[in-house]
Amino acid sequence: SQKIEQNSEALNIQEGKTATLTCNYTNYSPAYLQWYRQDPGRGPVFLLLIRENEKEKRKERLKVTFDTTLKQSLFHITASQPADSATYLCALDSLSGGYNKLIFGAGTRLAVHP
Amino acid sequence: NAGVTQTPKFQVLKTGQSMTLQCAQDMNHNSMYWYRQDPGMGLRLIYYSASEGTTDKGEVPNGYNVSRLNKREFSLRLESAAPSQTSVYFCASLRGVGYNEQFFGPGTRLTVL
Repeated sequence: SQKIEQNSEALNIQEGKTATLTCNYTNYSPAYLQWYRQDPGRGPVFLLLIRENEKEKRKERLKVTFDTTLKQSLFHITASQPADSATYLCALDSLSGGYNKLIFGAGTRLAVHP
Repeated sequence: NAGVTQTPKFQVLKTGQSMTLQCAQDMNHNSMYWYRQDPGMGLRLIYYSASEGTTDKGEVPNGYNVSRLNKREFSLRLESAAPSQTSVYFCASLRGVGYNEQFFGPGTRLTVL
């Protein structure tokens, strides 16, 4: 069955450093991969989408890579700030009957310390 | 725009009680979704509605029913609540086919005793 793995342990980094989060998947060939941010007590918020034919996508301090051979996506936040502290979810997106459905990983909690 | 709204924010039920979780979106989106989120697990899709008038089962539909009342509203009903349904429930919407970003509501925290 389809499986998505994100590091369940929290990632603690110092302000100003680059945070790198990993998303691995098996038994699956997604058309897209998305990253969402979730703050405590709130719903996820969309950050970035990368398609299967794209190697890298950037948005301001965020960078996502997508390696379909390794079945892995890396999510980078450069020059991290305490405000970046949150849980980050990766989601695989495939078209099923023409309707987009997402399969989510459990998320990785990021804590950026001053 | 309020985006996606959900009511109630919190609810405590006894085993066997029923309730309906409400969701509404004001973005004129075609597709709507219900997820549940449990500790250590990813969001799991319960039901979705690709467009007004259609609903389909997701990954974990047992024990739930849904109604797409109109384009704006998508409700989730628990007919006979069980402790295993204790979770945080999120509603989401998506503009439609060809669009990929899902917009989530703030969630409903449900406890079944």
